[in-house]
Amino acid sequence: NAGVTQTPKFRVLKTGQSMTLLCAQDMNHEYMYWYRQDPGMGLRLIHYSVGEGTTAKGEVPDGYNVSRLKKQNFLLGLESAAPSQTSVYFCASSYSQLGTGELFFGEGSRLTVL
Amino acid sequence: AQTVTQSQPEMSVQEAETVTLSCTYDTSESDYYLFWYKQPPSRQMILVIRQEAYKQQNATENRFSVNFQKAAKSFSLKISDSQLGDAAMYFCAYRIPFGNEKLTFGTGTRLTIIP
Repeated sequence: NAGVTQTPKFRVLKTGQSMTLLCAQDMNHEYMYWYRQDPGMGLRLIHYSVGEGTTAKGEVPDGYNVSRLKKQNFLLGLESAAPSQTSVYFCASSYSQLGTGELFFGEGSRLTVL
Repeated sequence: AQTVTQSQPEMSVQEAETVTLSCTYDTSESDYYLFWYKQPPSRQMILVIRQEAYKQQNATENRFSVNFQKAAKSFSLKISDSQLGDAAMYFCAYRIPFGNEKLTFGTGTRLTIIP
């Protein structure tokens, strides 16, 4: 019963490098989200997707790109990493509009940009 | 825009005692959901309890219960018989029932259980 799986769990980057975080869910959920968590700021939505092939900007989208080519996967990309992107990133998924709204989260990915 | 405020960055409670975590929110919607999520040291967010705004009865899940005051836009979490495993960050969250189902989170309250 995997649920939501994020890879990698930890990563250290140098400023200007690029990387991709992968989120995979096996619950056939339509909705997927990427959040970042910073001390004292709770979770802030970066991008989200309401279905395969769709993406939309959240609260803090600058510096990130996403893709949802397959329903079960949601990728978060950093094209040119900056120290301000040092954070813990969480992927989540949920049922469609008929659901009760519970988000299922991955275990998080800690990214450090030097 | 909807906002969620948790005014207690940290709380502590003696084991077996009761503690209440506060949450207020701002919205112009009449129908919405409210949630409490727990984030233990393992980092994974776990749903603790949820409340539908149209329900007047406060939600309860075992030792966890809420005090939902719709007019005051308040949604506090009460943990009874606190256990060491309750130590975690607790986040209050809000969502409208339709559309893209985005959750808006508060900044969290770190709960420490004193043995």
